[in-house]
Amino acid sequence: AQSVSQHNHHVILSEAASLELGCNYSYGGTVNLFWYVQYPGQHLQLLLKYFSGDPLVKGIKGFEAEFIKSKFSFNLRKPSVQWSDTAEYFCAVHSGNTGKLIFGQGTTLQVKP
Amino acid sequence: KAGVTQTPRYLIKTRGQQVTLSCSPISGHRSVSWYQQTPGQGLQFLFEYFSETQRNKGNFPGRFSGRQFSNSRSEMNVSTLELGDSALYLCASRLSVGMNTEAFFGQGTRLTVV
Repeated sequence: AQSVSQHNHHVILSEAASLELGCNYSYGGTVNLFWYVQYPGQHLQLLLKYFSGDPLVKGIKGFEAEFIKSKFSFNLRKPSVQWSDTAEYFCAVHSGNTGKLIFGQGTTLQVKP
Repeated sequence: KAGVTQTPRYLIKTRGQQVTLSCSPISGHRSVSWYQQTPGQGLQFLFEYFSETQRNKGNFPGRFSGRQFSNSRSEMNVSTLELGDSALYLCASRLSVGMNTEAFFGQGTRLTVV
């Protein structure tokens, strides 16, 4: 069965620190990859997506992610985090001809001012 | 344009009751999926509807059901509620099924079973 694994469950950083959140998936075929963010009390919002092409994708708010097919990974990065980045981050995979997204367990990011 | 709208936002029900949640997708979107979000299990796929047909179903008991109407609006129903059904229920809207389409999520319905 397909699965998504996020390496870090809870990350605490100071403002201006760099961020990297790991995401690995298990599926050998063609995939679409996503990172969603859920700010406290808000709905899931799409940060960035990978469908095809350049494996380095840029999203909103300075986030980027790199798709490494050989490692089945799609890690999220941001060079310098802000207090407003405090949120829960979810990696998700979509494959096949259905709308089913498989989510990782999520990573709670706490940024200290 | 308007986003995904879920109603109601909050619900409190008693064990054994049933509940119906509603989702209006983004205009023009024909695929609606439902997810359950809990602290312990994370985000789990319930089912997906497209053109009024259920296309895919997650690993949930038959007490969880849904439907989609001709205007793409969707409802999900949970019968004989259990305490463990307390969760945030999220609806996602997509333009179509298949690859290379992104899902847009609603605010969710917070269901509390007492």
